[in-house]
Amino acid sequence: AQSVTQLDSHVSVSEGTPVLLRCNYSSSYSPSLFWYVQHPNKGLQLLLKYTSAATLVKGINGFEAEFKKSETSFHLTKPSAHMSDAAEYFCVVNSGGYQKVTFGTGTKLQVIP
Amino acid sequence: NAGVTQTPKFQVLKTGQSMTLQCAQDMNHEYMSWYRQDPGMGLRLIHYSVGAGITDQGEVPNGYNVSRSTTEDFPLRLLSAAPSQTSVYFCASSYSRRGNTEAFFGQGTRLTVV
Repeated sequence: AQSVTQLDSHVSVSEGTPVLLRCNYSSSYSPSLFWYVQHPNKGLQLLLKYTSAATLVKGINGFEAEFKKSETSFHLTKPSAHMSDAAEYFCVVNSGGYQKVTFGTGTKLQVIP
Repeated sequence: NAGVTQTPKFQVLKTGQSMTLQCAQDMNHEYMSWYRQDPGMGLRLIHYSVGAGITDQGEVPNGYNVSRSTTEDFPLRLLSAAPSQTSVYFCASSYSRRGNTEAFFGQGTRLTVV
């Protein structure tokens, strides 16, 4: 069985300040973990993924995430928020089977000028 | 490359009507899938396909049919629309069925059933 919990449904930050979007997962097997971003009225776009290589994963647009097995977490961070980062972010876990994908419920990021 | 193309972008149906949501990809991807997105629930898998002629059910398949006659196309059919099927539908494709493979998403179809 697998599950993913995004701990905040909404996060608000000021432009230029750090971003932290939290994700915890559970999985019976070594998981693959993804973060996707969805801008308004758009499809989802991959930000980054973890697939059992380096635990610190760098993605597009300055985002990165660290896989912490002991804490079962995969939090998304960015040092300095930009207005264009305002979007909804989804954490996704996959325990190895192509049909075994579980999406989190999403975190909406608001960036205040 | 156009990527994953979904049509239509918006649709309003009356209860009981049927329709087909179209999905096409030009990346020669093996794996294709359909999701629905509802507020506060993330994306849920409806049906998926691991290649032409092969389809299977996901988490929420009731009320939907799919077929995959070609690698490129993966249409989703609503047999008799119900208000509970009001949602945003996303088609996605991946070059591999392996779980560590990223998915490419279409821009979605916003469906309202009245």
